Amino acid sequence: GAVVSQHPSWVICKSGTSVKIECRSLDFQATTMFWYRQFPKQSLMLMATSNEGSKATYEQGVEKDKFLINHASLTLSTLTVTSAHPEDSSFYICSARDSSGSRTDTQYFGPGTRLTVL
Amino acid sequence: DAKTTQPTSMDCAEGRAANLPCNHSTISGNEYVYWYRQIHSQGPQYIIHGLKNNETNEMASLIITEDRKSSTLILPHATLRDTAVYYCIVLGSYDKVIFGPGTSLSVIP
Repeated sequence: GAVVSQHPSWVICKSGTSVKIECRSLDFQATTMFWYRQFPKQSLMLMATSNEGSKATYEQGVEKDKFLINHASLTLSTLTVTSAHPEDSSFYICSARDSSGSRTDTQYFGPGTRLTVL
Repeated sequence: DAKTTQPTSMDCAEGRAANLPCNHSTISGNEYVYWYRQIHSQGPQYIIHGLKNNETNEMASLIITEDRKSSTLILPHATLRDTAVYYCIVLGSYDKVIFGPGTSLSVIP
């Protein structure tokens, strides 16, 4: 149980194009999902918190107009990197918090999406 | 502010128990201790969590001191596939997971 999937697992795009990454909770509902970014040899950095049916909350320094987040259902959140540039190349990871009512609200992570912008 | 302190790296012989320590001296009464690990180029994997009692599952055991200021994650029989970065995280309800540098565990043949 508690599986989170991401699609695609890797993507290569040209500079200036937009890329959409999907995050799905496969066997549980997630009111809240999170998006992280990880550069080589660094730890994961939280980018934004995605709440179903409402606007995402972005961490300081993350451009909301560049990283568009949509959380349209309890099992799906999408991250769109708009007008991607080489510096946006990174490993993007989502997580979903189990909303089953458990006191601890464990977060489960997806396998990540490797984005390379040429 | 970092809520936890972990050693930067550790080695463990294959087949032996790996004991990963974590200090969380400022933990509050309603906060849980969570452990995740990240194997190279993969998403973090949930391992175990606890409040004040020791916990065990198919992956590991979690020992929390009585004063809750520190804990130890135990992998009873480490294998090469357990080589990863291990993160100890303190979380209250509805908190978001913030990663520190973690402990890089190398399991050596």
